[in-house]
Amino acid sequence: AQTVTQSQPEMSVQEAETVTLSCTYDTSENNYYLFWYKQPPSRQMILVIRQEAYKQQNATENRFSVNFQKAAKSFSLKISDSQLGDTAMYFCAFMPPPNYGQNFVFGPGTRLSVLP
Amino acid sequence: DTGVSQNPRHKITKRGQNVTFRCDPISEHNRLYWYRQTLGQGPEFLTYFQNEAQLEKSRLLSDRFSAERPKGSFSTLEIQRTEQGDSAMYLCASSIRLALYNEQFFGPGTRLTVL
Repeated sequence: AQTVTQSQPEMSVQEAETVTLSCTYDTSENNYYLFWYKQPPSRQMILVIRQEAYKQQNATENRFSVNFQKAAKSFSLKISDSQLGDTAMYFCAFMPPPNYGQNFVFGPGTRLSVLP
Repeated sequence: DTGVSQNPRHKITKRGQNVTFRCDPISEHNRLYWYRQTLGQGPEFLTYFQNEAQLEKSRLLSDRFSAERPKGSFSTLEIQRTEQGDSAMYLCASSIRLALYNEQFFGPGTRLTVL
């Protein structure tokens, strides 16, 4: 079974600074998908960024980028120029190949606080 | 309304009662998922529908839980004989197949409290 680990339960960063959230996962599969979701306080989860395992190039979405290390099974999220609106729970999620079904496996989350 | 909606948003019930939650996915999405999220944890997969067919069920979905998606539109999740351990946020998500993966769009959740 796949597992996702996020070793930082809580983090804080000053506004405009850069922060990196860690995620490691365990799988024996070669093809899969990785995601970072954001869950603001009392609001629904939204997708931040996704990465296909067969792509070597790290995904980037505006201020958000990932460092995908397939051999190390590591998938960290970097947030540049942090904004107060980035305050949220961040979940790393793994999706197995289609023949394993469509359900996500989520990590326990990292609570990020952006300080003014 | 272009997002996933869930009703009710909050439900308080007494142990042993039955509860039912509803999820309305994004209209063109043919896939629908239910997750359970307890405090301080990430969502845990419960079950998945493609159209009206329930294709996957987690071992977390005990025989007290049942989910339906009649006509492949909205879905309901029923919990019978609720227990205090059922207290959690129940999340619904929907998606549509695009290439080999599909982004799941989440609803706001239904928070269940069992007294």
